[in-house]
Amino acid sequence: EAGVVQSPRYKIIEKKQPVAFWCNPISGHNTLYWYLQNLGQGPELLIRYENEEAVDDSQLPKDRFSAERLKGVDSTLKIQPAELGDSAVYLCASSPSYGQGAYNEQFFGPGTRLTVL
Amino acid sequence: AQSVAQPEDQVNVAEGNPLTVKCTYSVSGNPYLFWYVQYPNRGLQFLLKYITGDNLVKGSYGFEAEFNKSQTSFHLKKPSALVSDSALYFCAVRDGNTDKLIFGTGTRLQVFP
Repeated sequence: EAGVVQSPRYKIIEKKQPVAFWCNPISGHNTLYWYLQNLGQGPELLIRYENEEAVDDSQLPKDRFSAERLKGVDSTLKIQPAELGDSAVYLCASSPSYGQGAYNEQFFGPGTRLTVL
Repeated sequence: AQSVAQPEDQVNVAEGNPLTVKCTYSVSGNPYLFWYVQYPNRGLQFLLKYITGDNLVKGSYGFEAEFNKSQTSFHLKKPSALVSDSALYFCAVRDGNTDKLIFGTGTRLQVFP
């Protein structure tokens, strides 16, 4: 079974530039998560999707961050404009249907390491 | 608010010795607890979870965890450590109000030959 795919793996940009991250979840997983992981910290949830609906985006800084999951499969997370403090690893995860088996473990992709100069 | 604490930034153990990585939690309601491992330049991998039932949970790669309600702990254990177990370990709790996973700050496990 293929795992969660993320691209790019690494991205270096200058501040004020836009950047986008892409995620392809495990086939059949309706729930998709984007996490932010700062160095030396645990992941923190940015947004959770159930199919194409964002059901929890309370931690997403909406002034510069946006996300979409148009067909309920792949997802894109965008930052515009990027700031120095956005340097971190952005993780995507997926899990089976949230409502049934809400205690299912989440499967994580390898992450995108963003460096903002 | 739900939270987990991992009191040790790093744990060092000799290969072949037992290992313990500590985690304590604070929740309102029933605790749903998870352990994940992160190898360098890779995403988090699920190890095990406690939802209900037996307090001793067995997981991947020979790891197990003991749920202790009175001590609000969920320590990760392995009877005999391997050098390949060296990685970053995260404890997490599911927030019953928001259903999100709350992660600890992680513990780096170093197993020496």
